[in-house]
Amino acid sequence: GENVEQHPSTLSVQEGDSAVIKCTYSDSASNYFPWYKQELGKRPQLIIDIRSNVGEKKDQRIAVTLNKTAKHFSLHITETQPEDSAVYFCAASSYNQGGKLIFGQGTELSVKP
Amino acid sequence: NAGVTQTPKFQVLKTGQSMTLQCAQDMNHEYMSWYRQDPGMGLRLIHYSVGAGITDQGEVPNGYNVSRSTTEDFPLRLLSAAPSQTSVYFCASSRPGRSYNEQFFGPGTRLTVL
Repeated sequence: GENVEQHPSTLSVQEGDSAVIKCTYSDSASNYFPWYKQELGKRPQLIIDIRSNVGEKKDQRIAVTLNKTAKHFSLHITETQPEDSAVYFCAASSYNQGGKLIFGQGTELSVKP
Repeated sequence: NAGVTQTPKFQVLKTGQSMTLQCAQDMNHEYMSWYRQDPGMGLRLIHYSVGAGITDQGEVPNGYNVSRSTTEDFPLRLLSAAPSQTSVYFCASSRPGRSYNEQFFGPGTRLTVL
């Protein structure tokens, strides 16, 4: 089955700096890669996703890149702000697996003012 | 729309007790899933369903049962609770199809087993 590894487990940056979180997956059949943000005590919420036919996707300060050959994908947050502080999860799935997601272990991002 | 709802929000059980965690969605989503979240381990898939009458095991199914008699509801049953099942449980739903993979999560149930 699919296995997703996520690094680092914690990340501390200064406000305005960039943050990068990396994930690797094992199943070459996976073709959907979402990123979720979870604030303390809240539910996970989708912030961006990418499908296997695309190498990069951007949404304002957030971007995700995908390297299918190497089976890894990354989240990039530019111009970080204190409200970006949260736990971020990557996940992998495939369209024909009923939408089930296999998550990475999470990265706790702290943005210091 | 209420989205994905879960009850109860908090629950304390004694070892060996049974209970059912409720999950419902009003978005007519065919796919529903249960995850547990433990510190440092992310969200792990327990069971999932692709439609009424169809369920399958995820990464950590032992100790849990599910059924899906309607599109709206997907209850999770703990038959004999153990301290190792202390966790936060999230239910999620999504639509099938290449353009509809986003999973919507419920608010979670915090379960403590003593």
